Amino acid sequence: KAGVTQTPRYLIKTRGQQVTLSCSPISGHRSVSWYQQTPGQGLQFLFEYFSETQRNKGNFPGRFSGRQFSNSRSEMNVSTLELGDSALYLCASSLSHSLLDEQFFGPGTRLTVL
Amino acid sequence: AQSVTQLDSQVPVFEEAPVELRCNYSSSVSVYLFWYVQYPNQGLQLLLKYLSGSTLVESINGFEAEFNKSQTSFHLRKPSVHISDTAEYFCAVSTGFQKLVFGTGTRLLVSP
Repeated sequence: KAGVTQTPRYLIKTRGQQVTLSCSPISGHRSVSWYQQTPGQGLQFLFEYFSETQRNKGNFPGRFSGRQFSNSRSEMNVSTLELGDSALYLCASSLSHSLLDEQFFGPGTRLTVL
Repeated sequence: AQSVTQLDSQVPVFEEAPVELRCNYSSSVSVYLFWYVQYPNQGLQLLLKYLSGSTLVESINGFEAEFNKSQTSFHLRKPSVHISDTAEYFCAVSTGFQKLVFGTGTRLLVSP
């Protein structure tokens, strides 16, 4: 069974640009969550999608947005990039949004903003 | 709002020695608790979790954690560590649904 896939694995952008990251969940999983990992702030929850609807949202500015498609694949977008957006972005999928279902994490996309 | 504190940023230990990684949480409502492990250049993997029932939970690779409601703690322990246990360990809390609040992590360094 294939795991969670994130593309691209590495990305370099400059300030002011926008970026789109992609996450393909494990087959059959309908919930996708996104997290930002930085040395200073640690792991922080961005948002969760289930059945194409955003179910939960973290404390991030509106520059961070996401969506989920009918096949459960998810994308997150960051507009007007800032240096502080440099981070490892992790995606996790689970069967549903119940905590009884384990979240499986992908390897992450490392974004560097210059 | 919930928060998680992992007081030890790094824990050095010799192989075959016991280890305890500390985790304390803060929440005004009932919580669910998790430990995740992150090996170098890899994503997070669930180590163990407490949702309800027995307060002592175990993983398949010898780790265990005990939920202590009165002390708001969920410390992770292993009686004898291996070199392969070298990784970063994250404690997390949730009040429901797939929204986890993570601690800052503890780097476990096992040396021969």
